[in-house]
Amino acid sequence: SYVLTQPPSVSVAPGLTARITCGGNDIGYKSVHWYQQKPGQAPVLVVYDDSDRPSGIPERFSGSNSGNAATLTISRVEAGDEADYYCQVWDSSSDHLVFGGGTKLTVL
Amino acid sequence: EVQLVESGGGLVKPGGSLRLSCAASGFTFSSYSMNWVRQAPGKGLEWVSSISSSSSYIYYADSVKGRFTISRDNAKKSVYLQMNSLRAEDTAVYYCARDDLGRHYFDYWGQGTLVTVSS
Repeated sequence: SYVLTQPPSVSVAPGLTARITCGGNDIGYKSVHWYQQKPGQAPVLVVYDDSDRPSGIPERFSGSNSGNAATLTISRVEAGDEADYYCQVWDSSSDHLVFGGGTKLTVL
Repeated sequence: EVQLVESGGGLVKPGGSLRLSCAASGFTFSSYSMNWVRQAPGKGLEWVSSISSSSSYIYYADSVKGRFTISRDNAKKSVYLQMNSLRAEDTAVYYCARDDLGRHYFDYWGQGTLVTVSS
């Protein structure tokens, strides 16, 4: 089955840029989606189809995808961005939806 | 406003059964695929099952296939998850999520319902 690999944690100071990676075999050929989840809350879609943002999501959130890794980039990080972030793809070879293990973003 | 409200969670013994419901409002329910996603305590997200708008396509994670059954009632704007032969490892918050017009990502989520499997 298809596996997505994320770093367990990423730390960044306020105002700087956070990059969260999501690795997978030839992930560049798939559409990657990203969710933010704060404690006790349901996940929220922050990027879909590699780099598109839903309405209401700040432009500080952006995504890219190429080769064997996708990246969620959060510019000018704020304290309120502290959360768990999950990448997700649809694996058409198995008709299974797959989540990465999640990355805890800590704002120092 | 799109709303998804789950219900039916609770405490059940290993080997028991439970049926979860998700009531939708604020959108044309019959046009959207719907999904169940779970999250064990302190763990990450795990996709459970998906059902297409007309119930023509149904998919399950390997961990629940043969034990769980997803269904929907478009007239009642609801999706269901029948869970049988429950195990301790099925303990989780179960979320209902809307698939954005079959594009295999979730643009709206419910707040979740907790299922605890314990003797």
